[in-house]
Amino acid sequence: DTEVTQTPKHLVMGMTNKKSLKCEQHMGHRAMYWYKQKAKKPPELMFVYSYEKLSINESVPSRFSPECPNSSLLNLHLHALQPEDSALYLCASSPLDWNTEAFFGQGTRLTVV
Amino acid sequence: AQKITQTQPGMFVQEKEAVTLDCTYDTSDQSYGLFWYKQPSSGEMIFLIYQGSYDEQNATEGRYSLNFQKARKSTNLVISASQLGDSAMYFCAMREGRSGAGSYQLTFGKGTKLSVIP
Repeated sequence: DTEVTQTPKHLVMGMTNKKSLKCEQHMGHRAMYWYKQKAKKPPELMFVYSYEKLSINESVPSRFSPECPNSSLLNLHLHALQPEDSALYLCASSPLDWNTEAFFGQGTRLTVV
Repeated sequence: AQKITQTQPGMFVQEKEAVTLDCTYDTSDQSYGLFWYKQPSSGEMIFLIYQGSYDEQNATEGRYSLNFQKARKSTNLVISASQLGDSAMYFCAMREGRSGAGSYQLTFGKGTKLSVIP
């Protein structure tokens, strides 16, 4: 199983809503990532978890709150988002070694209205 | 300074022809990995091919191959016998071989949009 599964695939939310994005992998990878990608731009790293602990937070606003409940699951909790937060949110996982590829999910297309 | 540079925003190639997508990188580390990903309009990032800094031979995977020139810090992707399904964004990326969290980060270039013409 070399899949990273993200749900939902599409999400429309209001600026006062609270929602969560979910990501799951069963490859035994100990590093998991959230990326944000705007149209026609490369993915931008938001958070990295290693061994279920937050390792990197790229100065992301607190309205994005990551959570790693166990080694297979990664959540991104969303609250009070702005329209400019509309983007494709990609989850990825990888082994911890620098010479291994990261596997990406299909992404969640988020629209904030 | 950008760590990964892709200078071709868009490329066109005739079906069944070969195409080369350029990528240069910047790192002071001796250990690093270079990756190419394909992103169709559906959004999924698909891993294509990998080249390690210590690899002496150019990587190949089916119709994909890399022209790795370490001294010039470049790793160009060659797609042979292009197919219509190859139309997508292509990203070059790097992981640096540092200890701890420094090795986790995958840094992407700006990408090249490839269009295959029938």
